Amino acid sequence: EVQLVESGGVVVQPGGSLRLSCAASGFTFDDYAMHWVRQAPGKGLEWVSLISWDGGSTYYADSVKGRFTISRDNSKNSLYLQMNSLRAEDTALYYCAKGRDPVAGTELDYWGQGTLVTVSS
Amino acid sequence: AIQLTQSPSSLSASVGDRVTITCRASQGISSALAWYQQKPGKAPKLLIYDASSLESGVPSRFSGSGSGTDFTLTISSLQPEDFATYYCQQFNSYPQTFGQGTKLEIK
Repeated sequence: EVQLVESGGVVVQPGGSLRLSCAASGFTFDDYAMHWVRQAPGKGLEWVSLISWDGGSTYYADSVKGRFTISRDNSKNSLYLQMNSLRAEDTALYYCAKGRDPVAGTELDYWGQGTLVTVSS
Repeated sequence: AIQLTQSPSSLSASVGDRVTITCRASQGISSALAWYQQKPGKAPKLLIYDASSLESGVPSRFSGSGSGTDFTLTISSLQPEDFATYYCQQFNSYPQTFGQGTKLEIK
């Protein structure tokens, strides 16, 4: 059974930093690209970032480019999102999601339950 | 970035109704479109990929069609468990984007 479990969400002050983690199991982690998607309270889904199977390719939404960094550790079956210079508008539930291709963007066939990041003073 | 516009934004319907939701892309995306269902407090669930392929385990009352810029999600006969919010997503180019969502409510 595929499982994606996010962690690391907390309350952080504007301008602060945070690292989210996603522990994956039930599939061959290094065969697939992985994504982060977020959802602000009461709002729709926003795609955040993608990393290829080997970490060699990364892509970002314009809203987070230059502030967020996606990474992965295939030896630990783990995905990460380093979030710097956080703003109030980054407040959201952050989902880790599995793609279906090693490199390219595709549909997202498995999702975690999310971890909540709140940016507030 | 490619914008996806869903219509309607909300919809009231009854059990047994046939429902269609539309997703329009701001530029052509071939068939690189997926549809998701999200219930309150839950993660999104993949329903349709490549515009018209039914995800394994998803009931056959769900179907998708379209290519280029215009896409539809159809539910042939609404069931009580189908009342949820639906999103389209394009993966033709980066950044990937989602539509704003369509909330399907019970009439």
